[in-house]
Order: sequence, then C-alpha cells, then structure tokens
Amino acid sequence: TQLLEQSPQFLSIQEGENLTVYCNSSSVFSSLQWYRQEPGEGPVLLVTVVTGGEVKKLKRLTFQFGDARKDSSLHITAAQPGDTGLYLCAGESKTSYDKVIFGPGTSLSVIP
Amino acid sequence: DARVTQTPRDKVTEMGQEVTMRCQPILGHNTVFWYRQTMMQGLELLAYFRNRAPLDDSGMPKDRFSAEMPDATLATLKIQPSEPRDSAVYFCASGFVGDRGRHGYTFGSGTRLTVV
Repeated sequence: TQLLEQSPQFLSIQEGENLTVYCNSSSVFSSLQWYRQEPGEGPVLLVTVVTGGEVKKLKRLTFQFGDARKDSSLHITAAQPGDTGLYLCAGESKTSYDKVIFGPGTSLSVIP
Repeated sequence: DARVTQTPRDKVTEMGQEVTMRCQPILGHNTVFWYRQTMMQGLELLAYFRNRAPLDDSGMPKDRFSAEMPDATLATLKIQPSEPRDSAVYFCASGFVGDRGRHGYTFGSGTRLTVV
C-alpha cells in the first residue's frame, strides 16, 4: 500500500518568515504534485515535479523532488497571509494506472 | 477558465436514503477521480476512470457505493443506503492523460454530504 506522509501537520508563522513543508514516502512515484486548498473549495494545483532532483520555482514557492522520487519539499520565502491554507502533496503511480494518492496535508496559517 | 462542476453543493439526507452526486468533467479530459475528504482521514481515493472505463474502485465500500460514467460529460457517485459515517465532502477531479502522462488535475468545489 502506497502512503504519503507530510510534516509538519500544522504550522503557524508570522508574516515575512520562511518555512518548509515535507512530503515523504517509501514508494517511488512517477510524479509528485502539490496542491493548495482553501476552506470550502477543492484543491488547486500549484506544481508538478517529474524528474528526480528537479527544482521548480513559482514566485516565492520553491518545490523540490527527491533524487529517488520518494519525497518532496515545498519552501515558502517571506510568507504572506494569502499563503494561508492546506498544502497537499499527491503522488502519481505509473505502476497503478496513474493512480494519484494524497498526503494528509499541512495546515499553514500566516499571521499578519 | 474551464472548470469541473459538481452538484449538489450541499446535501443533507436521512440515514438509509439514496444519495447521488454528479460531476461534469472538463471537456476533453479523459480521466476522472472521485475522492472523499474528512478531517480524520484526509483525501481518500474512492474510484477513478480513464476514457469512461473504471480503473480502480478498491477504495470504495462496494456494498453501498457505486460509481459510473454514463457518458464523457457525466460521472456519478451513488450511495445506497447512506449512513452517518458517509458524511464528508466528496470531490471530483478531471485531467487528460496521454502517452506522456498527465501531471495535475482540476478539482470541483465538492459536494458536502451530511447524513443524519
């Protein structure tokens, strides 16, 4: 059974601080996706990483895929209140018809 | 922007009643997922389809849940009979998977189901 773990589960920081969220698994994934979800809405795709060691940047967000394609991290620089939300990582498995499973999420609160 | 449409947005029903949730995927997308989200379990994969064919529904309680795609513009998730433990937000997501794969899906706003 494929499982994804995320840490920390909850994070409350002051505006302007930096933070890193981690996503780990014992399974290898063909891609790793990051989503952000706000209350009352569905998750929204932020980025997909495909190649081991890949780094992608989206404004103040930096995403990295582990060399072995089992883990990923999301780093936010100078967090803003608009970054508040639930951050979800999702792994796509090529060996299971592109099945996509989600981690439990990291709930981020950025205090002004 | 193209969007995934889910109906109803909210549903309150009594235990034992049948519930049907509908999803209109984005035109041209060939893959549809159904997930259930609760505080305790997070996002759980229930079932998914490729070109309207079910690929995996092992996450779904078979005795009461059923998922179908009667056509390319409609996916349904049915619960019969419903139980209080089915209370959750149900999400549909769609995307296009081709020879090079597809990396990322568009979610609907969900159906919040409450079974009393």
